[in-house]
Amino acid sequence: GAVVSQHPSWVICKSGTSVKIECRSLDFQATTMFWYRQFPKQSLMLMATSNEGSKATYEQGVEKDKFLINHASLTLSTLTVTSAHPEDSSFYICSARPPAGPNYGYTFGSGTRLTVV
Amino acid sequence: AQSVTQLDSHVSVSEGTPVLLRCNYSSSYSPSLFWYVQHPNKGLQLLLKYTSAATLVKGINGFEAEFKKSETSFHLTKPSAHMSDAAEYFCVVSLSGGYNKLIFGAGTRLAVHP
Repeated sequence: GAVVSQHPSWVICKSGTSVKIECRSLDFQATTMFWYRQFPKQSLMLMATSNEGSKATYEQGVEKDKFLINHASLTLSTLTVTSAHPEDSSFYICSARPPAGPNYGYTFGSGTRLTVV
Repeated sequence: AQSVTQLDSHVSVSEGTPVLLRCNYSSSYSPSLFWYVQHPNKGLQLLLKYTSAATLVKGINGFEAEFKKSETSFHLTKPSAHMSDAAEYFCVVSLSGGYNKLIFGAGTRLAVHP
């Protein structure tokens, strides 16, 4: 149980286009999901906290107009990279925590490799 | 403020020998601590977690970690490394309770040689 599905696993897009990444909790409801960005050989950096039915909370330095987050249901959060540029190329990972107690481990998606050309 | 320091960016061991990945944390509150493993171009898999119960935590794939409050450490160990253990390992801290942010360490890349 406690599976988070992320789609697509990889995507290549042209500069100036937008890309949408989906994060689904398959067997539990997630009122909160998290979006991370990981540069090569580096750790994960939290970009934003996605809240079902309300606005996302962005970390300092993350452009909310650039990285649009929508959490319209209890099982789906989407991250849209708008007007993508090569510097947006990265590995994006989402996570959610199953409602099994306050300190249950977070479950992560398998990640999306975005390459902007 | 919470922070996590993984003391080694790279660790190299021979297959069959013990593994030690070191992690120190800083937290003003009772922390929850996790170890995650990441294989190349993959998401993160939870190895084990400490949540104020037993200080010696056993995880999957033979890994375990000991929470030492006096040393603010949560080192990850395994008695005998396997080739499939080669991956990136992250030590992570979270405040107790609620949907608080996870603070990631910089990661330790474990290489296992035949």
